[in-house]
Amino acid sequence: QKEVEQNSGPLSVPEGAIASLNCTYSDRGSQSFFWYRQYSGKSPELIMFIYSNGDKEDGRFTAQLNKASQYVSLLIRDSQPSDSATYLCAVNSGGYQKVTFGTGTKLQVIP
Amino acid sequence: GAGVSQSPSNKVTEKGKDVELRCDPISGHTALYWYRQSLGQGLEFLIYFQGNSAPDKSGLPSDRFSAERTGGSVSTLTIQRTQQEDSAVYLCASSVSGGTYEQYFGPGTRLTVT
Repeated sequence: QKEVEQNSGPLSVPEGAIASLNCTYSDRGSQSFFWYRQYSGKSPELIMFIYSNGDKEDGRFTAQLNKASQYVSLLIRDSQPSDSATYLCAVNSGGYQKVTFGTGTKLQVIP
Repeated sequence: GAGVSQSPSNKVTEKGKDVELRCDPISGHTALYWYRQSLGQGLEFLIYFQGNSAPDKSGLPSDRFSAERTGGSVSTLTIQRTQQEDSAVYLCASSVSGGTYEQYFGPGTRLTVT
């Protein structure tokens, strides 16, 4: 069983719509959760992190965490073609700085 | 401030040769990580350094791979006797210690073994 699971996609959404990216994790003791964006040919870029249950908003991005369901999601409002990228979910189990990455979901925003 | 830097940005080498890849982390970041990403694939963890502690080498794929970190800052990843399957982008990341753990990545080194 993979420790961090994501649907590989591609997830296609029309411009202006809400894109919803999902991630599940297996370690119930996980404490820190991250979303990275990776454009083709570039390195991952941190866009959001969340530690507490609930929602965390930053501009058009909202991270949602549900520890009981071991589920973290990223919502992108008013999606733009420039949001087209692969989104990596990453999880840290606490007490140790190693982070486990999912394989990423490819998002395509259609103009 | 300056981000994570890596050099070279591209490296082409012949099969069997040794290569060294360099990573300079963000100043003040005590943790440093190396990952490998093959074309169209996810991140593969290689090795992790935290301060003066013994590194976590659990991700190194073979004994041809080694890494060191001098003075708690710059790190070098060495691949001996390179093979074609070593061709990938090698990414370095760093993070601060103390509870947050978010990692910041360098631009990567694209290694091509011919």
